[in-house]
Amino acid sequence: SQTIHQWPATLVQPVGSPLSLECTVEGTSNPNLYWYRQAAGRGLQLLFYSVGIGQISSEVPQNLSASRPQDRQFILSSKKLLLSDSGFYLCAWSVGQGRETQYFGPGTRLLVL
Amino acid sequence: AQSVTQPDIHITVSEGASLELRCNYSYGATPYLFWYVQSPGQGLQLLLKYFSGDTLVQGIKGFEAEFKRSQSSFNLRKPSVHWSDAAEYFCAVGEVLGTYKYIFGTGTRLKVLA
Repeated sequence: SQTIHQWPATLVQPVGSPLSLECTVEGTSNPNLYWYRQAAGRGLQLLFYSVGIGQISSEVPQNLSASRPQDRQFILSSKKLLLSDSGFYLCAWSVGQGRETQYFGPGTRLLVL
Repeated sequence: AQSVTQPDIHITVSEGASLELRCNYSYGATPYLFWYVQSPGQGLQLLLKYFSGDTLVQGIKGFEAEFKRSQSSFNLRKPSVHWSDAAEYFCAVGEVLGTYKYIFGTGTRLKVLA
């Protein structure tokens, strides 16, 4: 069966520090991978998605970036965190072209102080 | 532009009462529709989905949803709510503009009174 992992589960970082969040998927090949941010009362904001290794689409211009170094690994990064980067970050995977179910990871709660 | 609207930010119901969560979408073609549930501090879990065919869709945990094209709605229902249903519920549209993207509503937070 397929599983999706995210780490760390919780992270507290000072403003201006770098960020690296990791997401890995097991049990499927060539998945579509997604990064969402969830802020209180604002639903899920799609940040990046990837349909293959090295292929990244950015939805929201900001100080975050994403990379996909391996088929089932998706990394969210920042060189310098802002206070506004605080939130709950969710990784998800799917197959097909958006007609199929997305499966979500457990999330990473990021607090920037 | 494609969008998903969940007009109710918060809903409170008593345990055993019926529930309906509203979802309206704006989309130029037949949409692929999903309902997800999120418990506090957790990821999202799929409740049900609609792609085509029967407009009344059954999901997990006793939930169902009805696709009404004329009203651009996909409301989620449950005949008798349990305390464990307290969570946040998200409606989503998939394959936006033929892409791999999904658009989510802002969510409805459900509170269940004992």
